[in-house]
Amino acid sequence: NAGVTQTPKFRVLKTGQSMTLLCAQDMNHEYMYWYRQDPGMGLRLIHYSVGEGTTAKGEVPDGYNVSRLKKQNFLLGLESAAPSQTSVYFCASSYEGRRRSSTDTQYFGPGTRLTVL
Amino acid sequence: DQQVKQNSPSLSVQEGRISILNCDYTNSMFDYFLWYKKYPAEGPTFLISISSIKDKNEDGRFTVFLNKSAKHLSLHIVPSQPGDSAVYFCAASASGNFNKFYFGSGTKLNVKP
Repeated sequence: NAGVTQTPKFRVLKTGQSMTLLCAQDMNHEYMYWYRQDPGMGLRLIHYSVGEGTTAKGEVPDGYNVSRLKKQNFLLGLESAAPSQTSVYFCASSYEGRRRSSTDTQYFGPGTRLTVL
Repeated sequence: DQQVKQNSPSLSVQEGRISILNCDYTNSMFDYFLWYKKYPAEGPTFLISISSIKDKNEDGRFTVFLNKSAKHLSLHIVPSQPGDSAVYFCAASASGNFNKFYFGSGTKLNVKP
């Protein structure tokens, strides 16, 4: 049981280039999330998905697109990367959108460190 | 404007002593609070949570206290161990809604042997 995995772990892009970050989970979770972490800012939600084929905007969605074609995968795309998108990106998943017990939570992947020059 | 704040970027504690990490929030609709622990090059991992119907939740060496009137929560680690050295994030949500977790900026704890 690998949990939540992210590909790649590191990437350097030039301004204007595009790329896709892949998140995969093997826990059969319905909900998946993409966050970015910046110094002094904590984690901020970019987009999330409540099930296969659905996506929704989070707190900071501009400049990103997502797709959830399969339940276990959640892709984050940058169409034209900008230096402001230099960050560490975390994917997370949860069983469902509402808490069922005191130990329900989101499970996080190890992160992707992206640098845009 | 951040709705969850951790005003101490770092904390250093001697092994065996108590570590107290603090978190403040501004949104009175928040009713579920969590602490996550993060080691370098890893994702955050769930540590402990508390619902607003409680003012204390304990799990081994970790205790979370919630003061709703002050909109303040704290994480106590007793006794602190070197392996506890990590960044700790608090997070909050409203109505148990996992779609909207709001995170603080984190506190880096260093437990000295």
